[in-house]
Amino acid sequence: GESVGLHLPTLSVQEGDNSIINCAYSNSASDYFIWYKQESGKGPQFIIDIRSNMDKRQGQRVTVLLNKTVKHLSLQIAATQPGDSAVYFCAENIGSQGNLIFGKGTKLSVKP
Amino acid sequence: DVKVTQSSRYLVKRTGEKVFLECVQDMDHENMFWYRQDPGLGLRLIYFSYDVKMKEKGDIPEGYSVSREKKERFSLILESASTNQTSMYLCASSFEGAREDTEAFFGQGTRLTVV
Repeated sequence: GESVGLHLPTLSVQEGDNSIINCAYSNSASDYFIWYKQESGKGPQFIIDIRSNMDKRQGQRVTVLLNKTVKHLSLQIAATQPGDSAVYFCAENIGSQGNLIFGKGTKLSVKP
Repeated sequence: DVKVTQSSRYLVKRTGEKVFLECVQDMDHENMFWYRQDPGLGLRLIYFSYDVKMKEKGDIPEGYSVSREKKERFSLILESASTNQTSMYLCASSFEGAREDTEAFFGQGTRLTVV
């Protein structure tokens, strides 16, 4: 029979507040990290990336922080909007093949 | 803009059928990937290909095979569909890993139901 899926971790924030989504990655040799956003019924879309020689990178309303010591990645979304409601995945890349390993995802719900 | 196109959004197949999921990308990417996505389990890699006629098993290749005869096209094949293969299937492509712009671009997904 089918396996029972686990519930996604959920983060619920008020519109206008800042959101922080966390991710622990598995391999200390990972050298490239990406955050993806997946809206209902769509494929994942690239948000922001960071290489292992950096510890912070900023985009438009988003910031990614990388802590290699504890193998932790976070995505900060400033002034969260209803359109930010989605599932967010972190992904890590090891080596030259470009093969991404994904985390399980976090569901962000924005309350108006 | 990069475009990754999957041939179907929704498919319903019977147990035991042979199923083909097609994916085409228009950015001359070397790498192509097939993932399945299940609630609470995230994206799990089935197979990937880093060149024409090359393929590598991912984390969950059992029950699947792939074909990459042309650079732009990567097919996922379910030799004999089973109900536990009911899932969302996502195709992705990217440039090879040594380049700066190695993020993967995804198709819209194919929701396959096996009855």
